[in-house]
Amino acid sequence: EDQVTQSPEALRLQEGESSSLNCSYTVSGLRGLFWYRQDPGKGPEFLFTLYSAGEEKEKERLKATLTKKESFLHITAPKPEDSATYLCAAQSPSGNTPLVFGKGTRLSVIA
Amino acid sequence: GAGVSQSPSNKVTEKGKDVELRCDPISGHTALYWYRQSLGQGLEFLIYFQGNSAPDKSGLPSDRFSAERTGGSVSTLTIQRTQQEDSAVYLCASSAQGSSGYTFGSGTRLTVV
Repeated sequence: EDQVTQSPEALRLQEGESSSLNCSYTVSGLRGLFWYRQDPGKGPEFLFTLYSAGEEKEKERLKATLTKKESFLHITAPKPEDSATYLCAAQSPSGNTPLVFGKGTRLSVIA
Repeated sequence: GAGVSQSPSNKVTEKGKDVELRCDPISGHTALYWYRQSLGQGLEFLIYFQGNSAPDKSGLPSDRFSAERTGGSVSTLTIQRTQQEDSAVYLCASSAQGSSGYTFGSGTRLTVV
């Protein structure tokens, strides 16, 4: 069974304190690894898709990386507006199978 | 429309009643997905529609849950004889043909009392 596990469940950072969120997955023949941001009361907002080990993508203070077993979301010099829940999801190669989501990491950035 | 629209945004219902949740996807998106998000839990897949193909219903938790998609556009998720454990946020997403990126709506928060 495909599984996605995220850690930590919650993370509290001071403004400017860089850190990383982890997403480990067990999906045979990964088709894609996705990162989403979710603010309270809203639906998830797409951030990145990674397709192969070694791939990296960046957007402002966020950088996502992928290995054969896990993905990291690096946050450099975070600001309070980066506070949100970050969700990771994996897709298997079997046709258009729906994404399998982790439970998310709830990030709080304190000014 | 500009995004995925879901209605109602909030729904409170009594145990045992039936409810209908609506999703209006982005125009032209062929794939439509329903997920459920409970407090402290990840997104749980419910059902998936792709074009005119038979839907993938493998995530529906019981036969009280059903969904339909009319004309390849609007979808309705129906929960019959609601139970307290059905309380959750129900999220709808759509994606374009050949695209793996989902666009989510803001969800319907269902509370069964």
